[in-house]
Amino acid sequence: SAVISQKPSRDICQRGTSLTIQCQVDSQVTMMFWYRQQPGQSLTLIATANQGSEATYESGFVIDKFPISRPNLTFSTLTVSNMSPEDSSIYLCSVRPSGSTDTQYFGPGTRLTVL
Amino acid sequence: GNSVTQMEGPVTLSEEAFLTINCTYTATGYPSLFWYVQYPGEGLQLLLKATKADDKGSNKGFEATYRKETTSFHLEKGSVQVSDSAVYFCAPPLIMDTGRRALTFGSGTRLQVQP
Repeated sequence: SAVISQKPSRDICQRGTSLTIQCQVDSQVTMMFWYRQQPGQSLTLIATANQGSEATYESGFVIDKFPISRPNLTFSTLTVSNMSPEDSSIYLCSVRPSGSTDTQYFGPGTRLTVL
Repeated sequence: GNSVTQMEGPVTLSEEAFLTINCTYTATGYPSLFWYVQYPGEGLQLLLKATKADDKGSNKGFEATYRKETTSFHLEKGSVQVSDSAVYFCAPPLIMDTGRRALTFGSGTRLQVQP
């Protein structure tokens, strides 16, 4: 398994501003992912963050809106840019440890409210 | 790609009742299958998994059997407790390309157990 922490745990932001969410893992992992969970909804994959290369975004998500960094094998950031109330969601970091085939572990999430 | 269809909620049961949450999927090949649980105010936790056909995953009294012939992975528990109240997510991995995979999630089923 893996222990994952996220900062901040929650935030309330003004429209038009940006927020950077940090994800720290207690071990080196190849694959890291960012998900969004809108209120009362399931989880949607935003992007896959790979160390040493650009993130790969899913349909409906673009780098300008959700830039991602992955400077090493234990850390990643997701920025939510130019926020609007529609961005109010829980953002979750997830990792797949090496050798786990498909099992993923999730961070506690960052609850974002945009006013 | 893979997709999953999950039983709509909410499901309301009395304590000690039998629980079934249906999950069916379409997949290329025979991926690992997962159930995750999200307790109120908490992050997503791996509940159980099965890695091949006819495998039974089990944890905390919950069970699910990987049925290749019916492409199903229904979650069951013989006697639910109030503490089982949560949202349950079924997930097969999404095969994207060149072997990259990330979990995709069903819509989630909210379980409410009453004393």
